Amino acid sequence: EVQLVESGGGLVQPGGSLRLSCAASGFTFSSYWMHWVRQAPGKGLVWVSRINSDGSSTRYADSVKGRFTFSRDNAKNTLYLQMNSLRAEDTAVYYCVCDGGGYYSFWGQGTLVTVSS
Amino acid sequence: EIVLTQSPATLSVSPGERATLSCRASQSVSSNLAWYQQKPGQAPRLLVYGASSRATGIPARFSGSGSGTEFTLTITSLQSEDFAVYYCQQYNNWPKTFGQGTKVEIK
Repeated sequence: EVQLVESGGGLVQPGGSLRLSCAASGFTFSSYWMHWVRQAPGKGLVWVSRINSDGSSTRYADSVKGRFTFSRDNAKNTLYLQMNSLRAEDTAVYYCVCDGGGYYSFWGQGTLVTVSS
Repeated sequence: EIVLTQSPATLSVSPGERATLSCRASQSVSSNLAWYQQKPGQAPRLLVYGASSRATGIPARFSGSGSGTEFTLTITSLQSEDFAVYYCQQYNNWPKTFGQGTKVEIK
């Protein structure tokens, strides 16, 4: 069974940093591109970032470019999202997602990040 | 950036009836469109990809159609567990974008 388990969310002050993790199991993690998608409270889904299967290539939404860094450790089947210079508008549930061929085939349960003073 | 417009925003349907959800793209996305279902407090779940292919384990009452800029998700004979928010997503161009969602509620 495919499992994606996010952790690391919480309350952080504006300008602060947070690192999210996503532990994967039940599939050949190192073969898949992975993404982060976020959802602000009561709002829709927004793609944040993607990483290729070996971690050599990343891509970011303009809204987080230069502030977020997406990485992976295929030996540990784990993703990381380092989030710096956080803003109130980054408040959201962050989902790690498996790429099934452009679409998102499996989703984690999400971790809530709240940016507030 | 491709904008996806879903209609209606809210659809009120009685159990057992059919629901038809629309997703319109601001430019062609070929057949690179997916549909997701999200229930309160849960992560989204993939229903349809490639505009019309059902994901593993998705009941046959869910069907997708369309190509180019006009897409439809049809749910025949709505069950109680189908009341949720539905999102379309295009993966033809970067950045991948989602529609704003259609809420299917009990009439």
